[in-house]
Amino acid sequence: AQSVAQPEDQVNVAEGNPLTVKCTYSVSGNPYLFWYVQYPNRGLQFLLKYITGDNLVKGSYGFEAEFNKSQTSFHLKKPSALVSDSALYFCAVRGLMDSSYKLIFGSGTRLLVRP
Amino acid sequence: SQTIHQWPATLVQPVGSPLSLECTVEGTSNPNLYWYRQAAGRGLQLLFYSVGIGQISSEVPQNLSASRPQDRQFILSSKKLLLSDSGFYLCALSGHRNTGELFFGEGSRLTVL
Repeated sequence: AQSVAQPEDQVNVAEGNPLTVKCTYSVSGNPYLFWYVQYPNRGLQFLLKYITGDNLVKGSYGFEAEFNKSQTSFHLKKPSALVSDSALYFCAVRGLMDSSYKLIFGSGTRLLVRP
Repeated sequence: SQTIHQWPATLVQPVGSPLSLECTVEGTSNPNLYWYRQAAGRGLQLLFYSVGIGQISSEVPQNLSASRPQDRQFILSSKKLLLSDSGFYLCALSGHRNTGELFFGEGSRLTVL
């Protein structure tokens, strides 16, 4: 069965500092991995994805994520956090062979960037 | 471009009343469609998905049901709501099946009293 773990309920960083939001996954075979962001009372916005190729993936709003197969991780990173990055972040996984294309989401990590 | 419309945006219903949430999509044909529920502003639980008209797969046993009467319409229903049905319901579509990122609507917030 596929699963995603986001071990931190909340991450606090100061504006201008680098941020990392952690994600580990479990899936049979090769994974498709995704990061989404959600602002209050809004739907989810797609940030980036890993399908194959370069382990460092760049996405929207200056975010990037690093795929590590040996550690089954896909941590979200940003070199310099903005107050406007404060939101709820979700990691998601899909198995390569899953024909339903459904995504399994982690429990979410709330990012708080203080001025 | 693809767009997803969810209606209504907010809903307050008494326990035991029926429910109908509607999701319609534009800018795509024959999409996979999904209903997710988000409780208490945290994790998303997949409820149903559909790969075509009349084709519904249920992920979690519950008192909710889904239907897909048209290619671009996906409906979530209940005959009798429970308190535990309260939550934020999100409709999503799979726009690119070979890579599979999902595009989400703006959600419908249901409060059952």
